[in-house]
Amino acid sequence: AQSVTQLDSQVPVFEEAPVELRCNYSSSVSVYLFWYVQYPNQGLQLLLKYLSGSTLVKGINGFEAEFNKSQTSFHLRKPSVHISDTAEYFCAASPSGGYNKLIFGAGTRLAVHP
Amino acid sequence: ETGVTQTPRHLVMGMTNKKSLKCEQHLGHNAMYWYKQSAKKPLELMFVYSLEERVENNSVPSRFSPECPNSSHLFLHLHTLQPEDSALYLCASSQDVNSPLHFGNGTRLTVT
Repeated sequence: AQSVTQLDSQVPVFEEAPVELRCNYSSSVSVYLFWYVQYPNQGLQLLLKYLSGSTLVKGINGFEAEFNKSQTSFHLRKPSVHISDTAEYFCAASPSGGYNKLIFGAGTRLAVHP
Repeated sequence: ETGVTQTPRHLVMGMTNKKSLKCEQHLGHNAMYWYKQSAKKPLELMFVYSLEERVENNSVPSRFSPECPNSSHLFLHLHTLQPEDSALYLCASSQDVNSPLHFGNGTRLTVT
């Protein structure tokens, strides 16, 4: 069965520091991978997605993620975070792009401190 | 403006009440979804409608009843809920089931 694991439930970081949010997936088939962000009192917004091609994917707000097939990982990174990046981040996977089969991780709370 | 509007934003109801959550999308999409978001748990897919036909029902208790009268509107009818049903209920839409999701801001439901 397919699953998505986000290894950290909370990540505190100071403003302008780099950050990495970790995500591992398990699947016996090819998957599409996503990162979503949820700001307080809002729904989820797509940050970036990996469908095929280059393993380094760039998204909105300066975030990027790297697909590593051998390690079954899709970690999210940003070289310098802002206070406004404080939010919940969700990694998700779906087989063959079927969004009705999208599986989410439990989320990582990123708290950026001044 | 996300293109997907959910009402109400907050709802408090007793276990014997009947209420409905509403979702409307202004994006011309053909698929709509209900998700449940509970604290410290992954989002749970509840229902998927494609072209007004239900294509996914993930073993959701019968006290939750979806309705999709047209491709722009989706309802979730609630009756005799339990306190553990308290959660954020998110609606989403997509062009089709092979396209990215657009989420609404959710309805925060509290069952007392």
